[in-house]
Amino acid sequence: KAGVTQTPRYLIKTRGQQVTLSCSPISGHRSVSWYQQTPGQGLQFLFEYFSETQRNKGNFPGRFSGRQFSNSRSEMNVSTLELGDSALYLCASSRGAVGSTDTQYFGPGTRLTVL
Amino acid sequence: AQTVTQSQPEMSVQEAETVTLSCTYDTSESDYYLFWYKQPPSRQMILVIRQEAYKQQNATENRFSVNFQKAAKSFSLKISDSQLGDAAMYFCAYRYSGGGADGLTFGKGTHLIIQP
Repeated sequence: KAGVTQTPRYLIKTRGQQVTLSCSPISGHRSVSWYQQTPGQGLQFLFEYFSETQRNKGNFPGRFSGRQFSNSRSEMNVSTLELGDSALYLCASSRGAVGSTDTQYFGPGTRLTVL
Repeated sequence: AQTVTQSQPEMSVQEAETVTLSCTYDTSESDYYLFWYKQPPSRQMILVIRQEAYKQQNATENRFSVNFQKAAKSFSLKISDSQLGDAAMYFCAYRYSGGGADGLTFGKGTHLIIQP
């Protein structure tokens, strides 16, 4: 079974621009979660989507948004980029069943650099 | 809010020896899951092992095993017969099992070095 895929793998943007990252989950997985990884803050939860609905959201400003499509693929968008948004953005997929063992499997990440 | 603490920023072990990585967590919940993930230089997060809090038996996956002490809120990872391929960042993670869970909460990580 194919793993989680993320595109693009690397991205360079300038301050003030916006960016869209894409994630395709493992076949059959209905939940997609996004995480931001930086050297200073470590791994932080951004949001989780399940069946096209945002189920949970971390403590990030409204510039960070996402969506999920009917085929479970997900995109996250960051508007008005700031230097501090430079990070590795990781996507993870899972079956999405609440209350059961629901292990998240991660993609290779998108490295975003904001200049 | 839950927190996960990994007190060892870096550990070094000789190839073929055993090493234990520490993790403590804080939560008011009784039902949750704990995980160890490995992140090699490629940055791909790989699941190493998971533990359901309601299970008393410690999880084991080949050379990897955990020591889960629920009352002490401790979840250490033991790697036996260390191999060069085990070199990576290791992250301990927590997730509440109920609805409305806020994703995984990660520790800061332990950088594991394997000496040949």
